Amino acid sequence: SQQGEEDPQALSIQEGENATMNCSYKTSINNLQWYRQNSGRGLVHLILIRSNEREKHSGRLRVTLDTSKKSSSLLITASRAADTASYFCATKKQTGANNLFFGTGTRLTVIP
Amino acid sequence: GAGVSQTPSNKVTEKGKYVELRCDPISGHTALYWYRQSLGQGPEFLIYFQGTGAADDSGLPNDRFFAVRPEGSVSTLKIQRTERGDSAVYLCASSLRLDLRDEQFFGPGTRLTVL
Repeated sequence: SQQGEEDPQALSIQEGENATMNCSYKTSINNLQWYRQNSGRGLVHLILIRSNEREKHSGRLRVTLDTSKKSSSLLITASRAADTASYFCATKKQTGANNLFFGTGTRLTVIP
Repeated sequence: GAGVSQTPSNKVTEKGKYVELRCDPISGHTALYWYRQSLGQGPEFLIYFQGTGAADDSGLPNDRFFAVRPEGSVSTLKIQRTERGDSAVYLCASSLRLDLRDEQFFGPGTRLTVL
């Protein structure tokens, strides 16, 4: 079963605008990761944030984590048409299972 | 190799047939994971291996699904008596260790279609 949910399910923006996607999850986590997927195939790891971190940056990406609300957000600044893809958050539980639990994904479309 | 590879990239089969899906992890990665992704959904965990042994197979949906990794490298996911509901993209991932902190690297997936 899915661990989390992304919001919104779909997002359409103009090139150059910022895109914000949100993720909520259910259990205590060790870390939360964001992945990108083109055309329903391989997933590309974007960024990982640990449970004791609140914010992390990587290039045009900014991730926040609020463990009290069990939520995270991914901000992509100055979007490009090439950013068009599906974005998933995935969590690793604090104890026990080492597999990832994925959310339902946000489909981002960046219009040139 | 440069990354995780999976073969075949696409597999079309008929209901009731047996299929095998192969995953070649990144060289040196001891942990290997299988996920299944249905249309419009996020990937769902099936099984993972540490070395040759299945460390957790709790995600396998039923006993028609089985996976092996006999030499601790290549893994094969086997599906018996396929059903139309098995149609999905099957994703394989590997990581250096079975560790909460380790990043998983995903392959391109095998799209299975059961007619």
